[in-house]
Amino acid sequence: EVQLSESGGGLVQSGGSLRLSCAASGLTFSKCVMTWVRLAPGKGLEWVSGISGSGASTSYGDSVKGRFTISRDNSKNTLYLQMNSLRAEDTAVYYCAKVQYYSDSDSYLFDYWGQGTLVTVSS
Amino acid sequence: EIVLTQSPGTLSLSPGERATLSCRASQSVRNNYLAWHQQKPGQAPRLLIHGASSRATGIPDRFSGSGSGTDFTLTISRLEPEDFAVYYCQQYGGSPPTFGQGTRLEIK
Repeated sequence: EVQLSESGGGLVQSGGSLRLSCAASGLTFSKCVMTWVRLAPGKGLEWVSGISGSGASTSYGDSVKGRFTISRDNSKNTLYLQMNSLRAEDTAVYYCAKVQYYSDSDSYLFDYWGQGTLVTVSS
Repeated sequence: EIVLTQSPGTLSLSPGERATLSCRASQSVRNNYLAWHQQKPGQAPRLLIHGASSRATGIPDRFSGSGSGTDFTLTISRLEPEDFAVYYCQQYGGSPPTFGQGTRLEIK
């Protein structure tokens, strides 16, 4: 059974930093493309960032580009999201998700999700 | 990017009734790469449907998806108590992947 468990959320001041972690089990982690998705209060789900199985290839949504960094440690089956220069609009529940990558559309189907970790940015 | 609009925002029904949820895309979704996800309070989202009409592993057959191009539908044939949740459509026919704003299915 695939299990994804996020941690590292909390309350941070505007301009601050936070690092999220996602521990994965029940899958061959190094072969999986992984992503972060967030759900802000009163809004819909938003894809944040993705990373290839090796970690060599990364991608970001426009709203976080240049501020957030995705990475992974395949020896620890763990995914990370380093969030810098945080803004009030980054307040959200952040989900780790395993995806299937579709090369013909350069896009992702989200097939397994974690339960999420709450990040609150105070202004 | 492709914008997905779900309707209605909230749907109030009773167990045993049929639920029909709609998702409309701002442009045609390549290869009908449209998925539906279910989320219950405090739980991880769960993939229900992919490719517009294919059920994910372990999903009961009361859940069905249909549609093509820009108009898609999720149907729950007979609602069970555990089906009351928020449902999101998601497209992966274009980059970036995008989601609808969700339909809340509540007990009437």
